[in-house]
Amino acid sequence: GAVVSQHPSWVICKSGTSVKIECRSLDFQATTMFWYRQFPKQSLMLMATSNEGSKATYEQGVEKDKFLINHASLTLSTLTVTSAHPEDSSFYICSAQDGFTGELFFGEGSRLTVL
Amino acid sequence: GENVEQHPSTLSVQEGDSAVIKCTYSDSASNYFPWYKQELGKGPQLIIDIRSNVGEKKDQRIAVTLNKTAKHFSLHITETQPEDSAVYFCAASKSNFGNEKLTFGTGTRLTIIP
Repeated sequence: GAVVSQHPSWVICKSGTSVKIECRSLDFQATTMFWYRQFPKQSLMLMATSNEGSKATYEQGVEKDKFLINHASLTLSTLTVTSAHPEDSSFYICSAQDGFTGELFFGEGSRLTVL
Repeated sequence: GENVEQHPSTLSVQEGDSAVIKCTYSDSASNYFPWYKQELGKGPQLIIDIRSNVGEKKDQRIAVTLNKTAKHFSLHITETQPEDSAVYFCAASKSNFGNEKLTFGTGTRLTIIP
């Protein structure tokens, strides 16, 4: 079946540094990718919708200058957390929509810990 | 926007018994309702979904029912097994394949007691 791969699966960084998380669709072309953030014992909250070749659409309250999203190809979207702070520590999950079938697949998530 | 409420937040069930999780949604335009299972430290995994033109769908031990009039849908797991222990999320969207944004419920932590 279709697989969405996220890398890294976990990362620890110092406060003030930037971290990039990759989301790849391994066997299908993803016209749309979604980025979610999940705090411990909470639900998934949509951060932004990413369409290949265009600017991401951010949800209300999500700082676009802090969470940079790039969807430069049909198989790769990246989320960069700039100037990370401890409150950015969270589980970041991407999902990718198969551009042919419309099906949606989730990645395994990336756990970010900011010290 | 859409608002999805999910109950209960925690559920403990004896192995072999049934578990039921309920969700309500607010936007009558929503027409796609997936259920996800999330294990610790992993991404959500689709276990079953239902579209608005169907009232019930079953896949082995898992079933989902949808009441569009009342705007609620439920997940039913029968003959529960220890491996069913996880957090379950319902979700809703306005598109049949979830290609518009999903709004998730708050989650139910299901524990199967051996």
